[in-house]
Amino acid sequence: EDQVTQSPEALRLQEGESSSLNCSYTVSGLRGLFWYRQDPGKGPEFLFTLYSAGEEKEKERLKATLTKKESFLHITAPKPEDSATYLCAGGVNDYKLSFGAGTTVTVRA
Amino acid sequence: ETGVTQSPTHLIKTRGQQVTLRCSSQSGHNTVSWYQQALGQGPQFIFQYYREEENGRGNFPPRFSGLQFPNYSSELNVNALELDDSALYLCASSRLAGGRQETQYFGPGTRLLVL
Repeated sequence: EDQVTQSPEALRLQEGESSSLNCSYTVSGLRGLFWYRQDPGKGPEFLFTLYSAGEEKEKERLKATLTKKESFLHITAPKPEDSATYLCAGGVNDYKLSFGAGTTVTVRA
Repeated sequence: ETGVTQSPTHLIKTRGQQVTLRCSSQSGHNTVSWYQQALGQGPQFIFQYYREEENGRGNFPPRFSGLQFPNYSSELNVNALELDDSALYLCASSRLAGGRQETQYFGPGTRLLVL
């Protein structure tokens, strides 16, 4: 069964304290690994798409990487506005995204 | 912000009623997917529509149904509402391309409460 697991469930950081979020997946024939950011009560906001092991993408303080079994979202020198739930999803086929439960990040000033 | 819009933003229904949620796709996209997100969980795939037909479905009963219109807007219908249907319903649009998943862009969601 296709499965996406995120860890940790919650992460509390001091402003400027870098850290990494993990997303491990068991999806046969993965058709893309997607990262989203979600603020409370709102829809997920697209961050990155990764298609191949070894691929990396960056946006401001965020960097996503992909291996054959997992993906990492690195947050460098976070600011309070980076506080959100970060969702990882595997592309199961041409149409379905299988999401993890998310990692809730809180950055204190 | 994405170009995906959803209506209404909030809705309260009672058990056994029926509900219709609406979504307008981002310009240039030809598929619409619907997801259900319970509190504290990741979104769960309900189904996707492409060229006005259901293109794939998750583990949801037949009382969850949908439509896609020629302008690529979509409706999600849920019959015989149950308390467990209370959730945030998300619509996402994308462009179908063979061989790999294209990025799905989400709307703001409709919060449904079933009493």
